[in-house]
Amino acid sequence: EDQVTQSPEALRLQEGESSSLNCSYTVSGLRGLFWYRQDPGKGPEFLFTLYSAGEEKEKERLKATLTKKESFLHITAPKPEDSATYLCAVQGYGSSNTGKLIFGQGTTLQVKP
Amino acid sequence: DVKVTQSSRYLVKRTGEKVFLECVQDMDHENMFWYRQDPGLGLRLIYFSYDVKMKEKGDIPEGYSVSREKKERFSLILESASTNQTSMYLCASSFRGATTNEYNEQFFGPGTRLTVL
Repeated sequence: EDQVTQSPEALRLQEGESSSLNCSYTVSGLRGLFWYRQDPGKGPEFLFTLYSAGEEKEKERLKATLTKKESFLHITAPKPEDSATYLCAVQGYGSSNTGKLIFGQGTTLQVKP
Repeated sequence: DVKVTQSSRYLVKRTGEKVFLECVQDMDHENMFWYRQDPGLGLRLIYFSYDVKMKEKGDIPEGYSVSREKKERFSLILESASTNQTSMYLCASSFRGATTNEYNEQFFGPGTRLTVL
């Protein structure tokens, strides 16, 4: 069964304190791994898609990496405005026609000034 | 930019009422999805549709139905609302992704916070 586990559930950082969020997955044939950011009371906002092990993508202070078993979202020198819940999702080749994604529970990040 | 809109940001209904939640996307996406999101339970898929008039049950379809008469519009229907359906409802859409040139990133609407009294 396809599964996604994110850790930690919650993370508190001081402004400027770099860290990483983890997304471990099991899927029968990974077609894509997706990262989203969600602010309270709003819909998730798409950040990145990763397709193959070794791939990396960056956006401002965020960098996503992918291995065969997990993905990391590295946050460099975070600012308070980076506070949000970060969601990870995977899609296997079996779901490519329907577009179904399997979501993790998310990591809630709080960055204190 | 992809735009997914939902008919209401906040909705308050009474137990037993029939409730319609509307979702419209403007990117010609084949796939559309309805999720509910509750604290501690994450995103749970209710129903999805990969083509007009096509629908498939997700993980928690009980108490819900859907309608997709046009490609851009996907409606979620609560036939008889109950208090345990109080939740944040999120609509999303994506390309079919059947080819390597199409990718399945889902784009979400702003959400509808439904309260059933």
